[in-house]
Amino acid sequence: QKEVEQNSGPLSVPEGAIASLNCTYSDRVSQSFFWYRQYSGKSPELIMSIYSNGDKEDGRFTAQLNKASQYVSLLIRDSQPSDSATYLCAVNFQGGSEKLVFGKGTKLTVNP
Amino acid sequence: KAGVTQTPRYLIKTRGQQVTLSCSPISGHRSVSWYQQTPGQGLQFLFEYFSETQRNKGNFPGRFSGRQFSNSRSEMNVSTLELGDSALYLCASSLDSRGYEQYFGPGTRLTVT
Repeated sequence: QKEVEQNSGPLSVPEGAIASLNCTYSDRVSQSFFWYRQYSGKSPELIMSIYSNGDKEDGRFTAQLNKASQYVSLLIRDSQPSDSATYLCAVNFQGGSEKLVFGKGTKLTVNP
Repeated sequence: KAGVTQTPRYLIKTRGQQVTLSCSPISGHRSVSWYQQTPGQGLQFLFEYFSETQRNKGNFPGRFSGRQFSNSRSEMNVSTLELGDSALYLCASSLDSRGYEQYFGPGTRLTVT
């Protein structure tokens, strides 16, 4: 069973702090990993993609991938109230019926 | 470049009816995927189309079907609607289907009464 798991939260951090979101997946045969942000009542918005082990930085966001341990994380530095949203981790599983599988999301609240 | 568009945005249907939802992908994107999102189940994959062919299908009953046209636009159809079909239906487009980034449309909120 191919699964993507996330801590459902809610995760609450003060403004200016670092928010750390984690995701684990169950199948080693994966090449593409994505983080989406979804505001309440809106559709998911792609914020990060990562394809190889290590860190990838984009502004205040850093995605980290460790394929051996089967986890991917998202760090948000200098968190802002506007970062309050649900963050979805998605993994593209290869082999057989290739498809993008989403975790159920972690709800993040950044308190002013 | 225009984003993914979906029509209609909101829909109210009664049990037993059928519904057709439409999706226009980003220009140049050839892959369209459909998802159902509910509070309890999260984002569930329905199916994916690439070059007018269904490449992949999720674990949904045969009442859910779709198709893709030569211009990459896609439609999904749900027949014999049930109360449990009430959900946000999302379409996502990508350049290709092999691990590329997917971009979501605004979704169609379907309510079945």
